[in-house]
Amino acid sequence: QITLKESGPTLVKPTQTLTLTCTFSGFSLTTSGVGVGWIRQPPGKPLEWLALIYWDDDKRYSPSLKTRVTITRDTSKNQVVLRMTDMDPVDTATYFCAHRDRPGDPFDIWGQGTMVTVSS
Amino acid sequence: EIVLTQSPATLSLSPGERATLSCRASQSVSSYVAWYQQKPGQAPRLLIYDASKRATGIPARFSGSGSGTDFTLSISSLEPEDSALYYCQQRNNWRVTFGGGTKVQI
Repeated sequence: QITLKESGPTLVKPTQTLTLTCTFSGFSLTTSGVGVGWIRQPPGKPLEWLALIYWDDDKRYSPSLKTRVTITRDTSKNQVVLRMTDMDPVDTATYFCAHRDRPGDPFDIWGQGTMVTVSS
Repeated sequence: EIVLTQSPATLSLSPGERATLSCRASQSVSSYVAWYQQKPGQAPRLLIYDASKRATGIPARFSGSGSGTDFTLSISSLEPEDSALYYCQQRNNWRVTFGGGTKVQI
C-alpha cells in the first residue's frame, strides 16, 4: 500500500525559505519510472504543480517557480524534500506530495497535504 | 504553457441526473488528460487517466472521453457523495498543468 505524508512548518515569515518533507512508503524512488511530485493549492483556488523528481534523479520544475524551488530526494529515508525560497503571503497554500508510476502518468496516490501560512 | 479551461464553473444538479463537465486545452494534448475529484479538506483522488481509463476502484458511473483539445468527464447518475470539485490535468509534455476546476453541487 502506497502512502505519502507531508511535514514541515505551518507558519513561515515573508522572505524566509520553506522546507517541506514528503515521507513515503509502499514504493521505492529507485524503481525505474517512479516519480514524486509537489502540488499546492491556495485557499479556494485551483491546484498548481510545483516540481517533480524521478527514480533517476531527473528533476522538473514549474517554469513560473523554477528560480525559487528545489526538489531533492533521500532514497535511504524514503523522503523527498521541497525547498522554496523568498516566501510571500501569496504562497500561503496547502502543499501536497503525490506519487506517479511512470513519467507522464497521472498522480495516482496523494498525501493528505500540509497547510503553510506565510505571515509576519 | 498549455492552459486548461474547465466549464462550467459550477454545476447544480439533482441525484440521479447526468453531469457533463468540460475541459478544453489551449493546444493538443493527445489523450493525456486525467480527472481528479476533490472534497473539502481532502486531497484530490484520481478518477480517470488517459482521457477515458478509470482508475482503480472508481465506480462505473464515472466516464471520460475526448482527444486533442476537448475532453469530457461524465457522471451518469449522480449520487449525493459526488458533490465535489473536479479538476482536469494534462501531461502532454513534462510540464503538468491543472484546470481551474468545476464544482458539482447536488
